[in-house]
Amino acid sequence: EAGVAQSPRYKIIEKRQSVAFWCNPISGHATLYWYQQILGQGPKLLIQFQNNGVVDDSQLPKDRFSAERLKGVDSTLKIQPAKLEDSAVYLCASSLGAGGLADTQYFGPGTRLTVL
Amino acid sequence: AQKITQTQPGMFVQEKEAVTLDCTYDTSDQSYGLFWYKQPSSGEMIFLIYQGSYDEQNATEGRYSLNFQKARKSANLVISASQLGDSAMYFCAMRLIGNQFYFGTGTSLTVIP
Repeated sequence: EAGVAQSPRYKIIEKRQSVAFWCNPISGHATLYWYQQILGQGPKLLIQFQNNGVVDDSQLPKDRFSAERLKGVDSTLKIQPAKLEDSAVYLCASSLGAGGLADTQYFGPGTRLTVL
Repeated sequence: AQKITQTQPGMFVQEKEAVTLDCTYDTSDQSYGLFWYKQPSSGEMIFLIYQGSYDEQNATEGRYSLNFQKARKSANLVISASQLGDSAMYFCAMRLIGNQFYFGTGTSLTVIP
């Protein structure tokens, strides 16, 4: 079974530029998550989708970050314009989404973003 | 308020020895789930083990076991017979009803040959 796919793996941009990340979840997983992980910290949830609807985006800086999950499968996360403090690893995860506390999230390899 | 606390920023263990990574959590909910993830230097978060708040027995998965002490709100990960490949960051996480999911700040484990 293929895991969560993410691209690109690395991205270097200058501040005020825009960037987009792509995620393809595990086949059949209804729930998709985007996390931001700053160096030395645990992941912080940015947005959670259930199929193509948003469940939680309370920690997404909506003035510069946007995300979509068209057709309830793959997803893109965009930053426009980027700031220095956006330098982080962006992790995508998916889960079956059947509900319940044991709904395990499986993570992709992440995209390491450096903003200069 | 910090929901998950991992007080050990770094740990060292001799190869083939056992090691315990500490995790305490804070919630007033009766129903919750606890997870441990491993993050090698490659960056991918790897699911290790799950414990439900109503599970009476401690979870085990191969060399990983979870020492769940509900009254103390602790969910420590025990790795037996450490291997060099176990060197990584380890994160404790909690899911609450309503899908809130919280990660701790992680513990860096180094296995010494």
